[in-house]
Amino acid sequence: NAGVMQNPRHLVRRRGQEARLRCSPMKGHSHVYWYRQLPEEGLKFMVYLQKENIIDESGMPKERFSAEFPKEGPSILRIQQVVRGDSAAYFCASSPLRDTQQETQYFGPGTRLLVL
Amino acid sequence: TQLLEQSPQFLSIQEGENLTVYCNSSSVFSSLQWYRQEPGEGPVLLVTVVTGGEVKKLKRLTFQFGDARKDSSLHITAAQPGDTGLYLCAGASGRDTQFYFGTGTSLTVIP
Repeated sequence: NAGVMQNPRHLVRRRGQEARLRCSPMKGHSHVYWYRQLPEEGLKFMVYLQKENIIDESGMPKERFSAEFPKEGPSILRIQQVVRGDSAAYFCASSPLRDTQQETQYFGPGTRLLVL
Repeated sequence: TQLLEQSPQFLSIQEGENLTVYCNSSSVFSSLQWYRQEPGEGPVLLVTVVTGGEVKKLKRLTFQFGDARKDSSLHITAAQPGDTGLYLCAGASGRDTQFYFGTGTSLTVIP
């Protein structure tokens, strides 16, 4: 009966390195959302994925950021050539349904990325 | 972009006091959710409201969705230190696939 799992919980990278953030949705959930949160701020939508499909990536920067949700395994948010401005908490949420009116999103504990 | 403004941004009160947090927008939402987030953790869903004018109660918490479905409020009665956290509202428009989160209200309840 595990909830949404995210790892690592904390990630430190130097400028120019790559960051890979993983999210395992709740069992039976096929919809995954990624959000970014700066300190004392709300969550900013980045991308919405279903298994093997990117449904909405309108909140994700066009360069350096990519996301996937393969048929098997966790969803991955990849940030290439990280810069200091990428430092933030990245949250994943999963849900079983498509209809946002009835949908409940369950959030993971987040990954805190620090870029030195 | 559909913006949700929350007020106040910060709130510090004594244990036992009552408080209200507001979530306002110029956009209409098909549903609105309230979350509470503690430091170092992800947001936890408190309630979802879907009908204009709807009022939902969860123990000492009362949630209201505006008649026009553009705004919502969260009222906490007799606040306790365990209520401390970041309160976030999030709206779904029904026309697109994402939720829009508010700016958040950081609540501190002092024992």
